[in-house]
Amino acid sequence: DGGITQSPKYLFRKEGQNVTLSCEQNLNHDAMYWYRQDPGQGLRLIYYSQIVNDFQKGDIAEGYSVSREKKESFPLTVTSAQKNPTAFYLCASSTEGHSYEQYFGPGTRLTVT
Amino acid sequence: AQSVTQPDIHITVSEGASLELRCNYSYGATPYLFWYVQSPGQGLQLLLKYFSGDTLVQGIKGFEAEFKRSQSSFNLRKPSVHWSDAAEYFCAVGAFRVTGGGNKLTFGTGTQLKVEL
Repeated sequence: DGGITQSPKYLFRKEGQNVTLSCEQNLNHDAMYWYRQDPGQGLRLIYYSQIVNDFQKGDIAEGYSVSREKKESFPLTVTSAQKNPTAFYLCASSTEGHSYEQYFGPGTRLTVT
Repeated sequence: AQSVTQPDIHITVSEGASLELRCNYSYGATPYLFWYVQSPGQGLQLLLKYFSGDTLVQGIKGFEAEFKRSQSSFNLRKPSVHWSDAAEYFCAVGAFRVTGGGNKLTFGTGTQLKVEL
C-alpha cells in the first residue's frame, strides 16, 4: 500500500540533544513538507521541498534542519537551538499538477525534558 | 499573505443532528480550499477540496462544503452526524507557485467536534 510513514510514533529526548525524525513516502510524490502542531495553533509549516536536493524554509524554520537526498525521504532534525521542541510533528507529501492536495503521515510526538 | 479563520474552537452536537463548521479565508486570488479531519494522535485525512467549478463540493463520509466567494467562506456541513465523526477538523487554503515554488497550505486553528449520544 502506498503511503507516508513516520517513525518513531513517540520520541523522548533530553534538553540540549539533537533529534532526527524520519519521514518516508512511496507515493512517488515530488513535494514533501514538515509541520508542527501545538494545541490550539493548528499546523505550522517548518520546511518544504519541491524536488530532491532543494528545500525552502517555512514559517517557523528556526531551530530545525532538513535534507532531501532522495525523493522518498525527508528527515527533520530538531536541534538544540529550538527553544520549545515538544510538539506533534507531521510530515506530508503532494504531487505537482492541479490537485495539490497533501497527504499526511501518522505523526511523531516529540517530548523534550 | 493568506490566512484562515475557524471561529469555533469547540462544537458539540447530538448524534443525528446536522452540523456546520465555519471557515473564513483571506487570499488575494482564487483560493484552493481544503477540509481535513484528524483523530486524536493521528495524521490528517482529506475530506474534500475546492479548486473551481461547482461551488458545492462533496467529500468522503457524507460531508459537503460550499464555497461562497462573496463571504470568503468555505463552510463544512453534514446532514446527520454520527458518533464516529468526533474529531478535530481543519480548514486550509492553498497558494500556488509562490516565490521559490511549492504549494504551501495555510491551516486554520481547527474546530474540535464532540458528538453526544
